[in-house]
This record gives sequence, C-alpha cells and structure tokens, in this order.
Amino acid sequence: NAGVMQNPRHLVRRRGQEARLRCSPMKGHSHVYWYRQLPEEGLKFMVYLQKENIIDESGMPKERFSAEFPKEGPSILRIQQVVRGDSAAYFCASSPPGQGGRTEAFFGQGTRLTVV
Amino acid sequence: AQSVTQPDIHITVSEGASLELRCNYSYGATPYLFWYVQSPGQGLQLLLKYFSGDTLVQGIKGFEAEFKRSQSSFNLRKPSVHWSDAAEYFCAGNSGTYKYIFGTGTRLKVLA
Repeated sequence: NAGVMQNPRHLVRRRGQEARLRCSPMKGHSHVYWYRQLPEEGLKFMVYLQKENIIDESGMPKERFSAEFPKEGPSILRIQQVVRGDSAAYFCASSPPGQGGRTEAFFGQGTRLTVV
Repeated sequence: AQSVTQPDIHITVSEGASLELRCNYSYGATPYLFWYVQSPGQGLQLLLKYFSGDTLVQGIKGFEAEFKRSQSSFNLRKPSVHWSDAAEYFCAGNSGTYKYIFGTGTRLKVLA
C-alpha cells in the first residue's frame, strides 16, 4: 500500500506564476489535509477536504490560494501569482473516513516550493 | 486558544546518551497527542501517539513518551541515542477532530 504521494517534490516558480501541488492520498483514505511549513516553524493547518467537498479552509489565505479534491484524481493545492513569502514546504496528509482525530494522519514527503 | 509548545529549539546530545524532548499542550480537554520525526528533506513519520489509558506510550525506534496531565506535558524520551536519530521532532495535538496543532519543532543533533 503506497503512502501519501506528493508531486512534484521540488518546485521553483518566478514571482507572479502559478504553482500547482498534487497529492494522492493513501488507498482507502477519503480525507485530505494540507499543511504549510515555513522555515524554522512547525506545520500550520491550511485546509481539510473530502471528495468533492471543502470541509474547512480556515487556514488558507483568503486570496490566491485554492484547493480541490475531485471525485477522480489527486487533490490539488493551487497558488496563483506566487510571491516570495509563499516559499515553504507544503505537506499533504490523509486519513481514512470516520475516525476524526483518533487516528494519525499519514503525511506525504512534501513539496518544497521556492519562489524566485 | 489551543496550543502545543516545544520549548527547546535545538538540543545536542552525545551518541549513547539519554534524550528527553519536551512538549507542553494547552487544550480545554485532554487532546490526542502525537510525536513525529522529520529527517532533512523528508516528510513526517509518526513515532507514537496517545489517546487515553496508559500514560507511558511506547513507539518505534526505541522511543517512548509519558503523558502527565498535571503538567500538561507529553515528553519524548529515549534511553540511548543513535547518530541516526539526528532529525527534527514535532509534537502535535488534536482535540478529536481533523485539525492538528503542531509545535515549532526541536532539532536534535547527535555528537559522535
């Protein structure tokens, strides 16, 4: 059973470009979470999605950031018009349905975004 | 507000020495608590978790953690550190929902 797969592992974008980060959850997992890790900081919650639904996006910046988890295919975190402050590691995690926080979230290896 | 605090940003120990990494939490009720390890350029690997019951939790790689309600702490320990344990360690909590709160991490350096 493959783990949470994120791609690309590293992404370089120029200011003003768009960044698209992909996450394929573990098999059987229908809950996906995105976290951001800024340099020298812990992970901060961004958004929680289930298939075709955004459950909680309270940690997402109001502008330029969006996330989706379509019925088919991976979850996508999209950052439009990137700025240097978006440079960070973005981690996706997944969990199976129905267990809330009582099970650990399984994390991918992250996408390290560098904005130049 | 809910929070998880790791007071030590950096810790250096000699190989073979014992290790304790501190974690304090602030929640309205006892949260679920986790320790993760992150090697450079890698994702997070779960070391152990506490939900309820026995306050001494055993994890992988010889790690254990003790939940102390009176001190709002969940410290991670290892009796004898190996060079391969050098990494960053994160304590995290959640209140039974999906939203994890992470501490800022403790970077462990191991001296040969």
